[in-house]
Amino acid sequence: NAGVTQTPKFQVLKTGQSMTLQCAQDMNHNSMYWYRQDPGMGLRLIYYSASEGTTDKGEVPNGYNVSRLNKREFSLRLESAAPSQTSVYFCASSAGYVGGLSNEQFFGPGTRLTVL
Amino acid sequence: GESVGLHLPTLSVQEGDNSIINCAYSNSASDYFIWYKQESGKGPQFIIDIRSNMDKRQGQRVTVLLNKTVKHLSLQIAATQPGDSAVYFCAENKEGTYKYIFGTGTRLKVLA
Repeated sequence: NAGVTQTPKFQVLKTGQSMTLQCAQDMNHNSMYWYRQDPGMGLRLIYYSASEGTTDKGEVPNGYNVSRLNKREFSLRLESAAPSQTSVYFCASSAGYVGGLSNEQFFGPGTRLTVL
Repeated sequence: GESVGLHLPTLSVQEGDNSIINCAYSNSASDYFIWYKQESGKGPQFIIDIRSNMDKRQGQRVTVLLNKTVKHLSLQIAATQPGDSAVYFCAENKEGTYKYIFGTGTRLKVLA
């Protein structure tokens, strides 16, 4: 099992360019998440998908869109990149809320994005 | 990877000693807690979790303690090894919700 995979690992964009970050998991998890990680701050939730077919905004959704393509894949799109979106982006997945209990999240290796 | 972890509190311990990393969580309604380890340039890795109906849980070389009265979580690592050097952070969740709140982390440095 590869767990959670993300592509690309590194990306440099110019202001105004667009791109899509890809994420896939092979653990048959219901829920998937996108976070950003900035120096001195905890992981902040951008968007999540509780289950296939649903997506919801997190703490910092502005400037981003997501697509839950199928149960395995959850992509994050930056339509018009801004320097404030320079960050490390992590995708995560979890079994979700099962039997009344939360479950741990498993993280991918991250995408390091720089917007010039 | 070094962009993560700048200006974090640092705990330095001698190899073989025990380490204790602390976390103050924010939401008194949170009832599920996780500790993660993050090595430089990598994604967070699950270490151990605990639910609010417990105050202690043990894993392999790790113990998590939960004090709900003061909203405090700690991670104890026994016989700390060089491979334990990383940033450690806690996460909290209210069961049934999909929002996890993550701490900023503590850098653990193991001295040979």
